Amino acid sequence: EPEVTQTPSHQVTQMGQEVILRCVPISNHLYFYWYRQILGQKVEFLVSFYNNEISEKSEIFDDQFSVERPDGSNFTLKIRSTKLEDSAMYFCASRDSRYGYTFGSGTRLTVV
Amino acid sequence: AQSVAQPEDQVNVAEGNPLTVKCTYSVSGNPYLFWYVQYPNRGLQFLLKYITGDNLVKGSYGFEAEFNKSQTSFHLKKPSALVSDSALYFCAVRPHENFNKFYFGSGTKLNVKP
Repeated sequence: EPEVTQTPSHQVTQMGQEVILRCVPISNHLYFYWYRQILGQKVEFLVSFYNNEISEKSEIFDDQFSVERPDGSNFTLKIRSTKLEDSAMYFCASRDSRYGYTFGSGTRLTVV
Repeated sequence: AQSVAQPEDQVNVAEGNPLTVKCTYSVSGNPYLFWYVQYPNRGLQFLLKYITGDNLVKGSYGFEAEFNKSQTSFHLKKPSALVSDSALYFCAVRPHENFNKFYFGSGTKLNVKP
């Protein structure tokens, strides 16, 4: 069964550093997403991306965050200057249809 | 505001007994309803969804969920729990008018004891 692949599975970074989280969505999917789960809290929507632009973003997704689909296969989330409170599990997802949403296995980001 | 509530942080059940994990929601319109499971250090795995039709939906690993419109609930059930069902379970809704966004509950940790 097709999967959404996320790398790395765990990333440790120093506060203030830039970090890029990578995702390879399912190949025929057109809609891409990032969600975040702070430890012990609920999964929260960050951003959706379609046709090479952001279609919707949450209030969490401020100027420190950006997304990109640089080469037609990868979908990246960049955090420009990480803060301690950015420590979380970040999930990428993609979908092709109304219902066909697939989540990746997540990248655990630890900011120290 | 859209919200999903999972009133129990943790549910404990003995292997072989039936289990229920509760979910209620407050979302405008007729939302699509989902259950996901998360095993330690793993991603979110789809279990089942309700779109329309029969209020009882069946999903993966023997799980089922019952949609109750009047109570705005979508409780997850399984007739006979297995130790391997122990995991974190998330209820999620997607508004009918916005396919982009899931609203997740806070999760319920299911512990199945041998």
